Amino acid sequence: QVQLQESGPGLVKPSETLSLTCAVSGYSVISGYYWGWVRQPPGKGLEWIGTIYHSGSTYYNPSLQSRVTMSVDTSKNQFSLKLRSVTATDTAVYYCARVAVGGQTDFWGQGTLVTVSS
Amino acid sequence: QSALTQPASVSGSPGQSITISCTGTSSDVGGYDYVSWYQQHPGKAPKVMIYDVSKRPSGVSNRFSGSKSGNTASLTISGLQAEDEADYYCCSFTSITTYVFGTGTKVTVL
Repeated sequence: QVQLQESGPGLVKPSETLSLTCAVSGYSVISGYYWGWVRQPPGKGLEWIGTIYHSGSTYYNPSLQSRVTMSVDTSKNQFSLKLRSVTATDTAVYYCARVAVGGQTDFWGQGTLVTVSS
Repeated sequence: QSALTQPASVSGSPGQSITISCTGTSSDVGGYDYVSWYQQHPGKAPKVMIYDVSKRPSGVSNRFSGSKSGNTASLTISGLQAEDEADYYCCSFTSITTYVFGTGTKVTVL
């Protein structure tokens, strides 16, 4: 069974960098799917952050592109998200997910709440 | 990219059918057969209910169906059940090779 697990600090200070990792088990990150990040501010809707392929190709939400970097570590079977210069509006539950061509995300992590506050 | 437009809320009685619309543009919903629908219960991760406009993943009830006409996609839930009460989001591939979610619809079973 494919499982994804997010990890990283739950509290980040304004202007600093949010860093999250998604560990994948039960499936190899190089086996043909894309990998993505989605976030959801408290009480609000879902927002697509971006997707990455194991080759390193990345596709970012234009509204976040200037602050986002995604990467894949095939040796550890995991992928990561970095969001720079965060503000309170970046406070959200961050989900990682397996993404098929066309956007079907069939496996999700449980989500991790990241709060931006001093 | 702007979020796709969904009604804020839809309600129905048990056994009835409801339809949720998802309106985009020719650069997303209208341009590709890559629309998916997600169900999200409070405090839980989203679950895919429909992908590629009208395909249903294994294990998803056949009470859920999807369609598309022009720039608008739709999710229909037939035989509404109490367990269907949740938030629903559409999602579309876009012309700039990203994805965009809808604004979300709260489904209430009366």
